[in-house]
Amino acid sequence: GENVEQHPSTLSVQEGDSAVIKCTYSDSASNYFPWYKQELGKRPQLIIDIRSNVGEKKDQRIAVTLNKTAKHFSLHITETQPEDSAVYFCAANDRGSTLGRLYFGRGTQLTVWP
Amino acid sequence: DAGVIQSPRHEVTEMGQEVTLRCKPISGHNSLFWYRQTMMRGLELLIYFNNNVPIDDSGMPEDRFSAKMPNASFSTLKIQPSEPRDSAVYFCASSSGGTQYFGPGTRLLVL
Repeated sequence: GENVEQHPSTLSVQEGDSAVIKCTYSDSASNYFPWYKQELGKRPQLIIDIRSNVGEKKDQRIAVTLNKTAKHFSLHITETQPEDSAVYFCAANDRGSTLGRLYFGRGTQLTVWP
Repeated sequence: DAGVIQSPRHEVTEMGQEVTLRCKPISGHNSLFWYRQTMMRGLELLIYFNNNVPIDDSGMPEDRFSAKMPNASFSTLKIQPSEPRDSAVYFCASSSGGTQYFGPGTRLLVL
């Protein structure tokens, strides 16, 4: 099956700085890459996703880039705020399957210092 | 839309007792996933169903764990007998082939 690696495991930034989280995947057939944010004690919630037919997607301060050749994708958060502090998970789908199985990275604990 | 519903939200039980976790997926979603989350092991997929049929249960840790989906709107995850190492947050998620939407989770503590 798919293998998703996520780095770094922890990330601390000053408020207003940018944060970048990187993931790699192993299966070139994967075509859907969501990112989830999990606040302490809460459920993982989708914040942005990208499909393999595009290289970049933006939503306000959040952007995701995808490099299919290198099989890696990244989450970029600009102008970070303390409320961005959470665990972020990347994921990749199962060989383009319509069954919807996702393979998750181990997560990145992002801390934004005021 | 009420989203994915899980019950109970918290469960405290003693070792050896049976525990049943319940999940109602989002209406119209045909895939349902059970995850376990711990600090040590992160987010683990235990089992998932498609159109009520179990597709992959390779993540179920041992025979003490079982899951059913008798219809499109209900699933259970049962642990019998429970052990302290089963303490974790158990999430149910549903999808219609793409984005997975997670329930609020059940926080299980086995004493």
